[in-house]
Amino acid sequence: GENVEQHPSTLSVQEGDSAVIKCTYSDSASNYFPWYKQELGKGPQLIIDIRSNVGEKKDQRIAVTLNKTAKHFSLHITETQPEDSAVYFCAASRTGGGNKLTFGTGTQLKVEL
Amino acid sequence: NAGVTQTPKFQVLKTGQSMTLQCAQDMNHNSMYWYRQDPGMGLRLIYYSASEGTTDKGEVPNGYNVSRLNKREFSLRLESAAPSQTSVYFCASSRREGLYEQYFGPGTRLTVT
Repeated sequence: GENVEQHPSTLSVQEGDSAVIKCTYSDSASNYFPWYKQELGKGPQLIIDIRSNVGEKKDQRIAVTLNKTAKHFSLHITETQPEDSAVYFCAASRTGGGNKLTFGTGTQLKVEL
Repeated sequence: NAGVTQTPKFQVLKTGQSMTLQCAQDMNHNSMYWYRQDPGMGLRLIYYSASEGTTDKGEVPNGYNVSRLNKREFSLRLESAAPSQTSVYFCASSRREGLYEQYFGPGTRLTVT
């Protein structure tokens, strides 16, 4: 089955700096890569996703890049703000897989003032 | 719309007791999922239901059973709780099977002593 590795497990940045979280996946058939943000005491919430037919996607301060050859994808957050502090999860899925997501182990992002 | 709701929010069980976690969604979604979240392990899929009337095992189904009661409701049952089932349980739903966003509930924190 699919295996998703995520790094780093914790990340501390100064407000205004950029943050990058990286994930690798093992199943070359995976073609959908969502990123979820989980705030303390809440369920995860989708912030951005990318499908394998594109290499990059942006939404305001958030961007995701995908390298299918190397089987890795990354989340980039620019101009970080205190409200970006949360746990971020990457995940992978593939067509015909029942929309079953395989999650990474999470990154605790702390944005310091 | 309430989205995905879960009851209870917290529960403490003794080893060997049984209980049912309830989940309901009001978004007219076809697919529903149960995950467990443990420290350092991300979210792991227990069971899912691609559509009303169907259920399938996920990555960690042992010790659990599920019922898709109707299109709105998907319950998770622990017949004989074990300390290894201490976890936070999340229910999620998506429009249908395929590469679609999953919407998560607020979670149930379960402790088995």
